[in-house]
Amino acid sequence: AQSVSQHNHHVILSEAASLELGCNYSYGGTVNLFWYVQYPGQHLQLLLKYFSGDPLVKGIKGFEAEFIKSKFSFNLRKPSVQWSDTAEYFCAAIPDQGAQKLVFGQGTRLTINP
Amino acid sequence: GAGVSQTPSNKVTEKGKYVELRCDPISGHTALYWYRQSLGQGPEFLIYFQGTGAADDSGLPNDRFFAVRPEGSVSTLKIQRTERGDSAVYLCASSLTRGRGETQYFGPGTRLLVL
Repeated sequence: AQSVSQHNHHVILSEAASLELGCNYSYGGTVNLFWYVQYPGQHLQLLLKYFSGDPLVKGIKGFEAEFIKSKFSFNLRKPSVQWSDTAEYFCAAIPDQGAQKLVFGQGTRLTINP
Repeated sequence: GAGVSQTPSNKVTEKGKYVELRCDPISGHTALYWYRQSLGQGPEFLIYFQGTGAADDSGLPNDRFFAVRPEGSVSTLKIQRTERGDSAVYLCASSLTRGRGETQYFGPGTRLLVL
């Protein structure tokens, strides 16, 4: 089945470490990709999105993601994490077949130790 | 401005009962979405409205689930004969238009527990 996969379920890092969270999708053709974040006790909010053009997308709070079509990947990165980045991160996709619905991965829980 | 709001924030019910979950989208947003998030999983799509009509209800798990948006603003998700497996967080999102480029803004969710 077409899906979005996040292989890291729980990542624990120290402050100032570099971050990379994996996301793979299984849709063929054009696909639109998103990263959402859910801070403790807060709503899901958009970090960044890719539609077309430059495959390196910059988002809020110093996050970026790179779309690699040949690898069906859209990994999230941040060069130096902060304690406040502790949250759950969700990768999501909208296939190009006219659908509006977001298909989410399972999520990655990120814990940053001070 | 105000974001997406959902009421109640928590709902505890007994197996077999009927529940209604309400979503108030961001003012002016024409598209509205319902998702369900089970523990340890990402949100799963249920239904999407463009205006008053359900444009895609392919995610509704069975005919016990129904949603309406009679005036193109507030939406209600209705679950009949609730089962323990319906326990989850029900999320609502809205976007300005139906375009795939539009960001979906999420509400805080309603946590439903079926005993």
